[in-house]
Amino acid sequence: DAKTTQPPSMDCAEGRAANLPCNHSTISGNEYVYWYRQIHSQGPQYIIHGLKNNETNEMASLIITEDRKSSTLILPHATLRDTAVYYCIPQRNEKLTFGTGTRLTIIP
Amino acid sequence: ETGVTQTPRHLVMGMTNKKSLKCEQHLGHNAMYWYKQSAKKPLELMFVYNFKEQTENNSVPSRFSPECPNSSHLFLHLHTLQPEDSALYLCASSQDRDSDSPLHFGNGTRLTVT
Repeated sequence: DAKTTQPPSMDCAEGRAANLPCNHSTISGNEYVYWYRQIHSQGPQYIIHGLKNNETNEMASLIITEDRKSSTLILPHATLRDTAVYYCIPQRNEKLTFGTGTRLTIIP
Repeated sequence: ETGVTQTPRHLVMGMTNKKSLKCEQHLGHNAMYWYKQSAKKPLELMFVYNFKEQTENNSVPSRFSPECPNSSHLFLHLHTLQPEDSALYLCASSQDRDSDSPLHFGNGTRLTVT
């Protein structure tokens, strides 16, 4: 399985862009990069995924480097409700393994 | 509302009890999953069902017994549990096991074994 490295914690000021990095240097050519987040006392929530190209949806943007060894999740205007643990997962559906993620705290 | 509903939200049981966790999804998905999340540990995949057939059992002790009567419902039957089994048990579903589709999680059952 591809392994991921994420910083254990980050802070971001409310209203600013939150940029969460992830290294996945052993990712396979056909593995998508998925991002989920888990707010306290809830199940993980899907955010976005991508293979090679950058992606954007109503929640976030995903920037994947050309060599696919790392990616960055961008929350463009962070709010207090974005405080959560964020997981980066190189995923084929049968190999969905969550690491310890990044605990993002939005500061008022 | 995630489309995946788990009941009960909280459960306290003794080591000699038998109980069941229930999961229901309203998303038309064909794959369903059980995960365990212990305190300060990553999520651990326990079981996978695809089109009602169990396709994965990640070396889970036999005191945990899954059941998938149809693609919309998943149960986890519990018996003779140990205190270390106390955890958040999460159910998830996806379009099917082989497609690159995201997982949709319920909010879990918080289990305490006394």
